[in-house]
Amino acid sequence: DSGVTQTPKHLITATGQRVTLRCSPRSGDLSVYWYQQSLDQGLQFLIQYYNGEERAKGNILERFSAQQFPDLHSELNLSSLELGDSALYFCASSVGMGGRAETQYFGPGTRLLVL
Amino acid sequence: GNSVTQMEGPVTLSEEAFLTINCTYTATGYPSLFWYVQYPGEGLQLLLKATKADDKGSNKGFEATYRKETTSFHLEKGSVQVSDSAVYFCALRGNAGNMLTFGGGTRLMVKP
Repeated sequence: DSGVTQTPKHLITATGQRVTLRCSPRSGDLSVYWYQQSLDQGLQFLIQYYNGEERAKGNILERFSAQQFPDLHSELNLSSLELGDSALYFCASSVGMGGRAETQYFGPGTRLLVL
Repeated sequence: GNSVTQMEGPVTLSEEAFLTINCTYTATGYPSLFWYVQYPGEGLQLLLKATKADDKGSNKGFEATYRKETTSFHLEKGSVQVSDSAVYFCALRGNAGNMLTFGGGTRLMVKP
């Protein structure tokens, strides 16, 4: 158990809908990262927040957005869902801003299926 | 940009066999290198890491050495067990940016 929690574990929805994925980082960690794991794209970085502020952005679609709240939990919002958004979404956390040697601890993931 | 290339799986071995999973990378500067493992139905767990050239990361019998001259970070284990069956991901973090760049993953299946 990494100490990172994600809810829900599974999500099934329809095209065009909007969903929210939630992540609670390990106690004391200030950074939260979101990754998408899909069959065709592999594991890709989406976005990072550090202590409530956006820190780094990767291959995140405009239909997707995220935020980190004062209690440090984070939410990933996915809207106008398409079939291709079906994937496993991981949250990870680390203690600092993300230095070279800093370890990221991953949650169990949320499996999203868009029908 | 940064990239990581892993050998494609699945890799199927008998218990107690020697394991090598190849990983090579492309990055500017001096990245940190990681191996993560994903057991069925679970998230990624850090297996080992190395932060500079010639560093050897090790954990649970697994080892990998950071080879800058060959830009490689191959994962090895002397004697695999059925419980090692999982997907293994090689990853790097470069000097610029905080994200991890992952390889495609290698599925290992160990048979009794």
